[in-house]
Amino acid sequence: AQSVSQHNHHVILSEAASLELGCNYSYGGTVNLFWYVQYPGQHLQLLLKYFSGDPLVKGIKGFEAEFIKSKFSFNLRKPSVQWSDTAEYFCAVNAAQQGGKLIFGQGTELSVKP
Amino acid sequence: GAGVSQSPSNKVTEKGKDVELRCDPISGHTALYWYRQSLGQGLEFLIYFQGNSAPDKSGLPSDRFSAERTGGSVSTLTIQRTQQEDSAVYLCASSRGSGGAGYEQYFGPGTRLTVT
Repeated sequence: AQSVSQHNHHVILSEAASLELGCNYSYGGTVNLFWYVQYPGQHLQLLLKYFSGDPLVKGIKGFEAEFIKSKFSFNLRKPSVQWSDTAEYFCAVNAAQQGGKLIFGQGTELSVKP
Repeated sequence: GAGVSQSPSNKVTEKGKDVELRCDPISGHTALYWYRQSLGQGLEFLIYFQGNSAPDKSGLPSDRFSAERTGGSVSTLTIQRTQQEDSAVYLCASSRGSGGAGYEQYFGPGTRLTVT
């Protein structure tokens, strides 16, 4: 069965620090990869996605992620975080041959200190 | 435009009662998904509908859970004989399509279910 692992459950950073959140998945076939974010009191919303082409994808609010197929990884990065980035971040995988369902990681709670 | 809407926003029920949760997807979206978000289990896939195809029910945790989608639009998730472990936030999402093209799923605000 597919699974998604996020290595960090809670990350605390100061403003302007750099961010990298790890995500690894287990599935041998073609995948679509997503990072979703849930700001306090808000819906889940898409940060960025990869489904083909350039493995370095850029999303909203200065976030980017790199798909490394050989490592089954899709880590999220941001060079300089802001207090407003405080949220929970979810990595998700969709196996292209298995319809649209998403398998989510456990989530990483990011707290940014002003 | 309007996003995905869900009702009720909160539901408190007694153990053993049945509950129905409703989802209105974004107009024109052919795919509709139900997920469950709970403290111990994170975000879990439950079921998804794509057009007129048979739904993928592979994530439903037991036969007490069922869902239907009428007229390719509104969906209802039904939980029979609720148990305390069913307490969670139930999320609905919709997308323009599904499968290989990596369509974005748009999520609703969720229904928080508490079973006492």
